Amino acid sequence: GQQLNQSPQSMFIQEGEDVSMNCTSSSIFNTWLWYKQDPGEGPVLLIALYKAGELTSNGRLTAQFGITRKDSFLNISASIPSDVGIYFCAGTRSVTTQGGSEKLVFGKGTKLTVNP
Amino acid sequence: ETGVTQSPTHLIKTRGQQVTLRCSSQSGHNTVSWYQQALGQGPQFIFQYYREEENGRGNFPPRFSGLQFPNYSSELNVNALELDDSALYLCASSYTQGASSYEQYFGPGTRLTVT
Repeated sequence: GQQLNQSPQSMFIQEGEDVSMNCTSSSIFNTWLWYKQDPGEGPVLLIALYKAGELTSNGRLTAQFGITRKDSFLNISASIPSDVGIYFCAGTRSVTTQGGSEKLVFGKGTKLTVNP
Repeated sequence: ETGVTQSPTHLIKTRGQQVTLRCSSQSGHNTVSWYQQALGQGPQFIFQYYREEENGRGNFPPRFSGLQFPNYSSELNVNALELDDSALYLCASSYTQGASSYEQYFGPGTRLTVT
């Protein structure tokens, strides 16, 4: 199935460092979302982006919706041990030609490890 | 506000059997989407239910089917299970109104193992 190109695949950082990850696609998306998933659990929504060029923050997290609508990045500042997990980007696309309900297309994830 | 719940949390089935997974949507949400997540991969869209009807489908065969009930809860049924069906099955609920669709929130998932 179609997936977004997410990089890097994994990151090993020291506590307190900043982190940056990104997602690209050959297709445009209506919105971009970033989720975090812990082992054995479902993805948890971190940030949702609705407009091209939009820059949104949620605490130590900052994400941007690319101008071309084909990419997005997520930054985490001053990482802490509980930031450990897998981060997924997702773009939304209409489920039907009539619009309305949308499906999520996911990247393969970035696995983040934070060393105390 | 009650979040998305799924049952069972995990189960083991034999190839060829049938399975039903259940999902209760978050309070105030009217749309349920199902995703399959293989190990080490991102979730893949199976289908979506809105107004008790299938409202779009991903690249999954007809042996994957579903239902949505008047209270917006949903079931995912998989017939003739294959080994490759082993995965984490995620349910996500959201609110749809007309041409507007809002963020999807996920449940904890059901881990299905097919032997």
